Amino acid sequence: DQQVKQNSPSLSVQEGRISILNCDYTNSMFDYFLWYKKYPAEGPTFLISISSIKDKNEDGRFTVFLNKSAKHLSLHIVPSQPGDSAVYFCAVYNYGQNFVFGPGTRLSVLP
Amino acid sequence: KAGVTQTPRYLIKTRGQQVTLSCSPISGHRSVSWYQQTPGQGLQFLFEYFSETQRNKGNFPGRFSGRQFSNSRSEMNVSTLELGDSALYLCASSAGTYNEQFFGPGTRLTVL
Repeated sequence: DQQVKQNSPSLSVQEGRISILNCDYTNSMFDYFLWYKKYPAEGPTFLISISSIKDKNEDGRFTVFLNKSAKHLSLHIVPSQPGDSAVYFCAVYNYGQNFVFGPGTRLSVLP
Repeated sequence: KAGVTQTPRYLIKTRGQQVTLSCSPISGHRSVSWYQQTPGQGLQFLFEYFSETQRNKGNFPGRFSGRQFSNSRSEMNVSTLELGDSALYLCASSAGTYNEQFFGPGTRLTVL
């Protein structure tokens, strides 16, 4: 049973527009949430994180939103750039356990 | 700081053989985790080592094993390889609890 779901396998967005990637989790015990980006032939790269005591965290063009009651987090990229084209993984964690990753969403930013 | 390094980058083996993959974490990081990535499956957690002790283990058969040395370097071993073991194996290190993981480039294993 998947603990972390990213229901959109792929997403296409025009350059300059907003990209919104979504992630749902099942276990309310998770208290630390992260987004990673992965280019082909490279390992995932950490993007941004949020702890369960917050509902929003911003870092430049990237903002992560957490809705604990809905067990949902999202990543907003504004404005989207062609270099953002990659696979994005959300990951969740709670103390004493391991990180659990979603299956990923492939983002394509079209020039 | 040097990043996480993994060797070898590519490996071709035949069914029934065994393989050992190596991971050197970022200096000062004591936690090393291993993941298997296959198309459409995302990253599947294999195990985590912290200070030479296995701290967590994923749902993989006993053919998959690992260890960590006193310098935090880690190895992963897969015995009696099966075709389904073909995947990208990723190693990640972190400084500790609630710290983000930093990934290596992975080892691409192909089993023929």
